[in-house]
Amino acid sequence: DAMVIQNPRYQVTQFGKPVTLSCSQTLNHNVMYWYQQKSSQAPKLLFHYYDKDFNNEADTPDNFQSRRPNTSFCFLDIRSPGLGDAAMYLCATSRVLGGTEAFFGQGTRLTVV
Amino acid sequence: GENVEQHPSTLSVQEGDSAVIKCTYSDSASNYFPWYKQELGKGPQLIIDIRSNVGEKKDQRIAVTLNKTAKHFSLHITETQPEDSAVYFCAASKGTYKYIFGTGTRLKVLA
Repeated sequence: DAMVIQNPRYQVTQFGKPVTLSCSQTLNHNVMYWYQQKSSQAPKLLFHYYDKDFNNEADTPDNFQSRRPNTSFCFLDIRSPGLGDAAMYLCATSRVLGGTEAFFGQGTRLTVV
Repeated sequence: GENVEQHPSTLSVQEGDSAVIKCTYSDSASNYFPWYKQELGKGPQLIIDIRSNVGEKKDQRIAVTLNKTAKHFSLHITETQPEDSAVYFCAASKGTYKYIFGTGTRLKVLA
């Protein structure tokens, strides 16, 4: 059974049109992460939540925002997608901060047209 | 800053042969080293991990070794099968939230 579920699997959005990607988890983990992965590259951490505490990476553009309304759900909002934001977006969870397995969702592949 | 180097970037082996992927980390405080397998169009999945108090760990055809002194860790896959074909990422973590990923190795197992 899927434990970290991302919707949709594929998303096409127009240049500059806000888009939201969603992630849900059944693991009851404290930490939820959003990563951006471009072709043939390692996942790049955008931000994470520890419970309700939001932590942004220093180099994450302001264009990227996140919401975590409850333990199970986390959203990635891209306010004005540019062509350079086309990528696979991965949600992950872990029970505690680092030092333990991170569980990844299947990812959402975002295309910007 | 923290860095994980991974080699090789691509690796082709004949079915049944062994594959070895190597990673080097920079932060000596790192204490957790997972390996993830990512199949095309899917998210990464943990295949094996090792902590800094252990030098080697094995799970069936997969093993990981850790040399803390040299700050190296390696993934070994024996008796490779076509379904082992994927991109493999190593990572290092020092107990904070951040996993530093390597750049990935594309493994092709040739039938």
